[in-house]
Amino acid sequence: SQKIEQNSEALNIQEGKTATLTCNYTNYSPAYLQWYRQDPGRGPVFLLLIRENEKEKRKERLKVTFDTTLKQSLFHITASQPADSATYLCALGRGDYKLSFGAGTTVTVRA
Amino acid sequence: KAGVTQTPRYLIKTRGQQVTLSCSPISGHRSVSWYQQTPGQGLQFLFEYFSETQRNKGNFPGRFSGRQFSNSRSEMNVSTLELGDSALYLCASSFGQGGYEQYFGPGTRLTVT
Repeated sequence: SQKIEQNSEALNIQEGKTATLTCNYTNYSPAYLQWYRQDPGRGPVFLLLIRENEKEKRKERLKVTFDTTLKQSLFHITASQPADSATYLCALGRGDYKLSFGAGTTVTVRA
Repeated sequence: KAGVTQTPRYLIKTRGQQVTLSCSPISGHRSVSWYQQTPGQGLQFLFEYFSETQRNKGNFPGRFSGRQFSNSRSEMNVSTLELGDSALYLCASSFGQGGYEQYFGPGTRLTVT
């Protein structure tokens, strides 16, 4: 059965550093991969989408890579700020209109 | 543009009862998906609707059902509630089917006692 793993449950980093989150998957061939941010008590908020034929996408301080050979996506937050503290979720999808989410990584940025 | 709205925001029910949750998508969005979020299982896909048709369903028992109306508003129903149904139920809308970012509502927190 398909499996989506995000590298760790929690990541603590110093303000100004780069946070790198990992999303690995097995038994799955996604057509696209998305990253979401979720704050406590709120619904997830879309951040970035990358398709299987794309290697990298950027949006402001965010960067995502997608390696279909390694079955892995990396999500980077550069020049991190305390306001970036949240849980980040990766989600995989293909043509069946269903998104499968990882368990999430909680990032805490220390001032 | 107004975001996705879900009602009610909080709900307390007892075992054996049934519950109906409502979701209004962003104007112009025709796809609505429902998810269950729990600390142990994370975000799990329930079903997706597009133009009043269910296009996919997750691995949940038949007690979980849904529908979509012609104005794209959606409802989900859980019958014969169990303690394990306590969760945050999230609705998300998107412009199209597949490959589009989803816009989530604030969720309905359901507690079954």
